[in-house]
Amino acid sequence: GEDVEQSLFLSVREGDSSVINCTYTDSSSTYLYWYKQEPGAGLQLLTYIFSNMDMKQDQRLTVLLNKKDKHLSLRIADTQTGDSAIYFCAERETSYDKVIFGPGTSLSVIP
Amino acid sequence: GAGVSQSPSNKVTEKGKDVELRCDPISGHTALYWYRQSLGQGLEFLIYFQGNSAPDKSGLPSDRFSAERTGGSVSTLTIQRTQQEDSAVYLCASSLWQDGELFFGEGSRLTVL
Repeated sequence: GEDVEQSLFLSVREGDSSVINCTYTDSSSTYLYWYKQEPGAGLQLLTYIFSNMDMKQDQRLTVLLNKKDKHLSLRIADTQTGDSAIYFCAERETSYDKVIFGPGTSLSVIP
Repeated sequence: GAGVSQSPSNKVTEKGKDVELRCDPISGHTALYWYRQSLGQGLEFLIYFQGNSAPDKSGLPSDRFSAERTGGSVSTLTIQRTQQEDSAVYLCASSLWQDGELFFGEGSRLTVL
């Protein structure tokens, strides 16, 4: 069945780059997403990438997709304390169009 | 409304009681999703709707859980004979059919005593 995996924790120093990794199993996924959940808040879409793309850049965010290895990463440049949150990777399947989320990576930014 | 609306925002109930959670999606969004987020856990897929039909119910944890959607709009998630392990935040999201973004509501926090 479908599965999305992420490491659970990441700690970086303010100003450094953060790289959050994700692996997924459904080779027919159409969209892959990164969502952010700040403490006590709902989930907000950060960015998404179509499965036929290799890379997408949006200001401080860079998404890399390796379809062969089913690996997705999110790079946050110049990480700030306001970036501390849980980051969820998700995939949208083609078969039933459901969206499956990973367990989330808790990013802590040390001042 | 402007966003996905869920009610109640908080619900405390006794073990064995039934609860209903409501989701009002963004107008015009044909897809509607229910997820469960337990303390310190990720998002567990429960069910999703395309219009009024649910192509995939495989995520519902047990037969005590059911969901319906009427008129292609509001959805209700019902949990019968609640158990303590049902305590979680239940999140609803909606999206345009085959479009990219899921828009999430604030969630309904369920506590079963």
